[in-house]
Amino acid sequence: EAGVAQSPRYKIIEKRQSVAFWCNPISGHATLYWYQQILGQGPKLLIQFQNNGVVDDSQLPKDRFSAERLKGVDSTLKIQPAKLEDSAVYLCASSVPFQYEQYFGPGTRLTVT
Amino acid sequence: KQEVTQIPAALSVPEGENLVLNCSFTDSAIYNLQWFRQDPGKGLTSLLLIQSSQREQTSGRLNASLDKSSGRSTLYIAASQPGDSATYLCAVRRSNYQLIWGAGTKLIIKP
Repeated sequence: EAGVAQSPRYKIIEKRQSVAFWCNPISGHATLYWYQQILGQGPKLLIQFQNNGVVDDSQLPKDRFSAERLKGVDSTLKIQPAKLEDSAVYLCASSVPFQYEQYFGPGTRLTVT
Repeated sequence: KQEVTQIPAALSVPEGENLVLNCSFTDSAIYNLQWFRQDPGKGLTSLLLIQSSQREQTSGRLNASLDKSSGRSTLYIAASQPGDSATYLCAVRRSNYQLIWGAGTKLIIKP
């Protein structure tokens, strides 16, 4: 089965610019997660979707970050405007609802200069 | 607030050695604990999952133990190989299925 797809793999932008990341989960996985992983740290959950509804976005900096999951399949995560501290790897994961196993994509490495 | 700590942050050992990676957590009210492997430029791969009622889980050369009362887990790797070089992360799962992660241990196996 195809895994979780993410694009782009790498992105370099200047501070105050905007950027968007895309994630295509494994077919049939209703739960989708976006994580932020800063170098040297573990992943931090930004937002969790169940189909196209938000389950938890308590750690999403809503003044600059937004995410959507239209039609309960693909998802996009946007940052506008970006700050230097947003430099990180953004990981997308998906799972069958209420199952432990999360399947991770390769991530998008964002560098903000 | 649950916090997960992994020590050491980095470890380098010669090939063939047995080694232990450590994970500690502050709140023993966990649903389960999971060990992951992260390779550069790749996503996270689940290695072992231990339920809160279990003491250990084994998969090939890997053995993970859990002592919930003391807030500790260990990942034992037997007969290490250069291909085991990666960052190993542990994460505890809360009752809402969300994971709280450690920062990881970067392991280098020298040929």
